[in-house]
Amino acid sequence: DVKVTQSSRYLVKRTGEKVFLECVQDMDHENMFWYRQDPGLGLRLIYFSYDVKMKEKGDIPEGYSVSREKKERFSLILESASTNQTSMYLCASSFGTGLAEQYFGPGTRLTVT
Amino acid sequence: AQTVTQSQPEMSVQEAETVTLSCTYDTSESNYYLFWYKQPPSRQMILVIRQEAYKQQNATENRFSVNFQKAAKSFSLKISDSQLGDTAMYFCAFMKHTWAGNTPLVFGKGTRLSVIA
Repeated sequence: DVKVTQSSRYLVKRTGEKVFLECVQDMDHENMFWYRQDPGLGLRLIYFSYDVKMKEKGDIPEGYSVSREKKERFSLILESASTNQTSMYLCASSFGTGLAEQYFGPGTRLTVT
Repeated sequence: AQTVTQSQPEMSVQEAETVTLSCTYDTSESNYYLFWYKQPPSRQMILVIRQEAYKQQNATENRFSVNFQKAAKSFSLKISDSQLGDTAMYFCAFMKHTWAGNTPLVFGKGTRLSVIA
């Protein structure tokens, strides 16, 4: 079974802190994605990566950065957390070609106080 | 840019009944894929069903089937013999396909389905 894991299920941070969210997949997928999920807004793409050290901005990249040093790991970084970044963060991965299903992690519910 | 619209924020259905969730999308692309994902309460998002745009035949997976109307840009999900375990948020999603590879999914805002005993 494909497994996508995220470092924390729940996280509470203070305004201004630097926050790291980690995602690891075990299926040798080329593509990895970070989404933010908010009630009534669905899932919105923050960043994605087609390959190691490659990254592309999604729809809402402001306030976020990413890092992909190894194929299996994709990190989302909040440089200076703000209260409007309180949300559920979902990581996903998929193969780069073909009818590629995205596999999702369990999500990290981040609260910034 | 592609957009996906789910016009029903919430729905409910009696156990064993049939329910249809609506989804429309807007695109100028000719080669794309459509998906329905399910997110049970406090559980991971999983794929329910997928459809290639070039296929006219509607996809089916056990109790789940789609009604794909390409000209109308409509992609509805039908759940037959609803079960309590079908209670979840359902997301419709679009993916453009290019020769360079797959692109990120564009999601609708979701429909919360409650199956009532």
